[in-house]
Amino acid sequence: NAGVMQNPRHLVRRRGQEARLRCSPMKGHSHVYWYRQLPEEGLKFMVYLQKENIIDESGMPKERFSAEFPKEGPSILRIQQVVRGDSAAYFCASSEGLHHIQYFGAGTRLSVL
Amino acid sequence: GQQVMQIPQYQHVQEGEDFTTYCNSSTTLSNIQWYKQRPGGHPVFLIQLVKSGEVKKQKRLTFQFGEAKKNSSLHITATQTTDVGTYFCAVSTRGGGSNYKLTFGKGTLLTVNP
Repeated sequence: NAGVMQNPRHLVRRRGQEARLRCSPMKGHSHVYWYRQLPEEGLKFMVYLQKENIIDESGMPKERFSAEFPKEGPSILRIQQVVRGDSAAYFCASSEGLHHIQYFGAGTRLSVL
Repeated sequence: GQQVMQIPQYQHVQEGEDFTTYCNSSTTLSNIQWYKQRPGGHPVFLIQLVKSGEVKKQKRLTFQFGEAKKNSSLHITATQTTDVGTYFCAVSTRGGGSNYKLTFGKGTLLTVNP
């Protein structure tokens, strides 16, 4: 049973470009969560999605950030017009159900030049 | 929103020494989870505690949940170099409606001198 798959593992973007981060949940998991981790800090919740629905996006910056989890395919976290402050590790987690354990992917390390 | 305070921020030990990290909340928690993140790695789920006063063991790791469900600890006996990493506690907090999200402590970075 493959774990949570994230790609790319590393992403380098110049200021103003777009970053697209992808996450395929574990088989059988319908709940996806995105977290951001700055260097030497804990993980900060960004958004919680189920198939075709954003359930809770209270941790998402209001501008430039968006997330989706389409009926088919992976969940996508999109950051438009990236700035240096967006440089961080972005982790995706999935769970089987609402109160179930969250399993994390290996993360995408975004570097903005 | 819900916050959990985790201490210490850093801990350096000699191999063979014990290690403990603590998580505290000002409010009663429904449950608490512990994760380990190796340097450059991703959080890996260790355990979830749900019941008041609960104690769970995994080999050299002992996890406790306080009687008031406001604090928790992770204790490692006789540390090894493989224990190096950041240990996070995380609590489920209620978001909008009936959904939940994890709120993480800032973590304790454990380094072990061989």
